[in-house]
Amino acid sequence: KAGVTQTPRYLIKTRGQQVTLSCSPISGHRSVSWYQQTPGQGLQFLFEYFSETQRNKGNFPGRFSGRQFSNSRSEMNVSTLELGDSALYLCASSKGTSYEQYFGPGTRLTVT
Amino acid sequence: GQNIDQPTEMTATEGAIVQINCTYQTSGFNGLFWYQQHAGEAPTFLSYNVLDGLEEKGRFSSFLSRSKGYSYLLLKELQMKDSASYLCAVRDPGDYKLSFGAGTTVTVRA
Repeated sequence: KAGVTQTPRYLIKTRGQQVTLSCSPISGHRSVSWYQQTPGQGLQFLFEYFSETQRNKGNFPGRFSGRQFSNSRSEMNVSTLELGDSALYLCASSKGTSYEQYFGPGTRLTVT
Repeated sequence: GQNIDQPTEMTATEGAIVQINCTYQTSGFNGLFWYQQHAGEAPTFLSYNVLDGLEEKGRFSSFLSRSKGYSYLLLKELQMKDSASYLCAVRDPGDYKLSFGAGTTVTVRA
């Protein structure tokens, strides 16, 4: 069974731009969660989608948004990029809330 | 909210045993997870505890005491490839989201 895939793997953007990251979950998994990982803050929860609905949201500004499609694929968008948004963005999928999460390889975003 | 503590770093010798402790103070609890993350890679799932006691999976074991807000991950017969960061995460019963500790970097030396 194929694992969680994320595209692109690496991205360099300029302050003020916006970016869209994509995540394809493991087949059959309906829950997709997004995390931001930085050396200083560790893994921080961004949001979770289940059956196209956002169920949970972390403490991030409104510049961070996401959505999930009917095939469970998810996208995350960050608008008006700031230098502090440079991080590894990880997507994780699971069968549902009572199950373990499986992480994708991440998208390394660098904002200059 | 969740407050999760684990040591920052640990060093051990190949073939030895290392125990990584995790303590948590949470407003609720719905399971504790351990993940392994090698440098530059994504976290990979190791274990899940929701009831008190020990869960064993090969060289790795995880223990939970809900009354003490405490868990540990035991790595036996350490191998060089076990050098990685180990993340403890607690699931909230209300919204089911995971809160992660800062991670423990384990270095295995020959």
